[in-house]
Amino acid sequence: AQTVTQSQPEMSVQEAETVTLSCTYDTSESDYYLFWYKQPPSRQMILVIRQEAYKQQNATENRFSVNFQKAAKSFSLKISDSQLGDAAMYFCAYRSDEDTGRRALTFGSGTRLQVQP
Amino acid sequence: DSGVTQTPKHLITATGQRVTLRCSPRSGDLSVYWYQQSLDQGLQFLIQYYNGEERAKGNILERFSAQQFPDLHSELNLSSLELGDSALYFCASSPGQGVREQYFGPGTRLTVT
Repeated sequence: AQTVTQSQPEMSVQEAETVTLSCTYDTSESDYYLFWYKQPPSRQMILVIRQEAYKQQNATENRFSVNFQKAAKSFSLKISDSQLGDAAMYFCAYRSDEDTGRRALTFGSGTRLQVQP
Repeated sequence: DSGVTQTPKHLITATGQRVTLRCSPRSGDLSVYWYQQSLDQGLQFLIQYYNGEERAKGNILERFSAQQFPDLHSELNLSSLELGDSALYFCASSPGQGVREQYFGPGTRLTVT
């Protein structure tokens, strides 16, 4: 079974600064997808960014980028120019692409990000 | 707005009761996933349906069941409720045709007293 680990329960960053959230995962599969979801106080789960395991190039979405290290099974999220609206719980998630019966997301325990003005 | 709707937003009920949570996926999405978010268990996958058929089961209790109807909306039935079933229940949908993202509804907050 796949596992996802987020070792930072809480992080804090100053507005306009850069912060990196860590995520590691364990799998024996070759084909999979990784995601970062954001959960603000409203509790809505919002997709931030995705990464395909077969792609070497790191995904980027505006101020959000990832550092995907497949061999190390590491998938960190970098938020640049942090804004107050970035304050939320961030979840790393894994999705198999090898088995149609295992398409559900496996989530890490989350990292709570505070943004200081 | 993800396009996924869930009703009700909040539900308060007593132990031993039965409730039904409803989910309408995004237009055209064939896959529906149910997840439970609780303080002690985190976010856990419960069950998946694809075009009306059960596709996968996760950590779903026997007291819980689900179904997906011909119009693709889904219902999660929780029975013999216990205090520990208090949680946020999410539905997520995905097209299921080469698209890997799942789009989440706003969730239903269940409180069992």
